[in-house]
Amino acid sequence: GAVVSQHPSRVICKSGTSVKIECRSLDFQATTMFWYRQFPKKSLMLMATSNEGSKATYEQGVEKDKFLINHASLTLSTLTVTSAHPEDSSFYICSPKTSDGDSDTQYFGPGTRLTVL
Amino acid sequence: GNSVTQMEGPVTLSEEAFLTINCTYTATGYPSLFWYVQYPGEGLQLLLKATKADDKGSNKGFEATYRKETTSFHLEKGSVQVSDSAVYFCALVGAAGNKLTFGGGTRVLVKP
Repeated sequence: GAVVSQHPSRVICKSGTSVKIECRSLDFQATTMFWYRQFPKKSLMLMATSNEGSKATYEQGVEKDKFLINHASLTLSTLTVTSAHPEDSSFYICSPKTSDGDSDTQYFGPGTRLTVL
Repeated sequence: GNSVTQMEGPVTLSEEAFLTINCTYTATGYPSLFWYVQYPGEGLQLLLKATKADDKGSNKGFEATYRKETTSFHLEKGSVQVSDSAVYFCALVGAAGNKLTFGGGTRVLVKP
């Protein structure tokens, strides 16, 4: 099956600092990348969608200048939380999708737990 | 818009018990329906899916049938194991889109 990695798996940072989360598809090429946020005991909330080489499309209510998404290659996407604050503490999950004809199946990374002090 | 509603957990069962997790949805047209599972410390994994009415998805002893008339996609397993302890998410992709809409997730705990 498809392998997706996220790094780091967990990070603790001080308020006001920026944190970069990497998502890699290890054995397939991801033309589309979804980034989700998951609150404790809650469902996944889609933050943004990006296509390789294009700017990300953000969901309503998600600040694009705070959550910077880069999808520079077919195997790597990054999410940078800029000037993080305690309310940004959450579980962030990337979800790459291939263009193999099965347009309704996505793969998910193991997630990154961000704690902002 | 699209929405998915699933029963709240946690659901606690003994090994070999029968498991049902209810899921209903709201969507226009004929969405594709999914069940994802999230084991402790891991990412979501696709468990099963159904793309049209009356289709039955099945995997690892789990089954769910796409019921258009009741807009439901209930997940069932006849005999659960401790290793089935996880959080289960019902989800859909609308007929016109490519974005997954998730339910709130149901935590299942199977005790030996």
